[in-house]
Amino acid sequence: EDKVVQSPLSLVVHEGDTVTLNCSYEVTNFRSLLWYKQEKKAPTFLFMLTSSGIEKKSGRLSSILDKKELFSILNITATQTGDSAIYLCVANAGGTSYGKLTFGQGTILTVHP
Amino acid sequence: NAGVTQTPKFQVLKTGQSMTLQCAQDMNHNSMYWYRQDPGMGLRLIYYSASEGTTDKGEVPNGYNVSRLNKREFSLRLESAAPSQTSVYFCASSAQPSGQETQYFGPGTRLLVL
Repeated sequence: EDKVVQSPLSLVVHEGDTVTLNCSYEVTNFRSLLWYKQEKKAPTFLFMLTSSGIEKKSGRLSSILDKKELFSILNITATQTGDSAIYLCVANAGGTSYGKLTFGQGTILTVHP
Repeated sequence: NAGVTQTPKFQVLKTGQSMTLQCAQDMNHNSMYWYRQDPGMGLRLIYYSASEGTTDKGEVPNGYNVSRLNKREFSLRLESAAPSQTSVYFCASSAQPSGQETQYFGPGTRLLVL
């Protein structure tokens, strides 16, 4: 059975701290890994990773994939209160017409002023 | 361009009642999805529609039916609601069946079944 495990499940930091969110996966026919940010509404897309070792960056956020060790990390530097959210890791698999998505439980990040 | 819209935003049902959750997208996407999100469970796929005229079961389809009314609209129906269906429901769409495509989510519908 495909699964995605995120850690930690929750994290509390202060503004300015750097955080690393972890995601490990076991997915048959793995194709890509996606990170979403979910605030008090629907998830919004952050990154899609398909190749190992290539870091993707967007402002203070960055992410990298290790397809050999089957994990990904999401880094947030100089955190702000606006970064408080649930961060979802999603593994995408091929082999079917829709490309199965397996979601992790999410990491709840709380950033205090 | 509103993206993905869902109605209603919140609903309370009694056990055994039926209702339909509506979803529409204006991005001309081919594929649409219904998920439920429960604490500690992540998002789980209920049904999806790879293209207009087709629907398929996802991970947790029991107790639900769907209808892809046209390219824009994808509805989710609960024929006889149960407390276990209390959840937040998200509709999503993507240009193609999700492979290398980003899914765009609606704002969600909070459903409480008493």
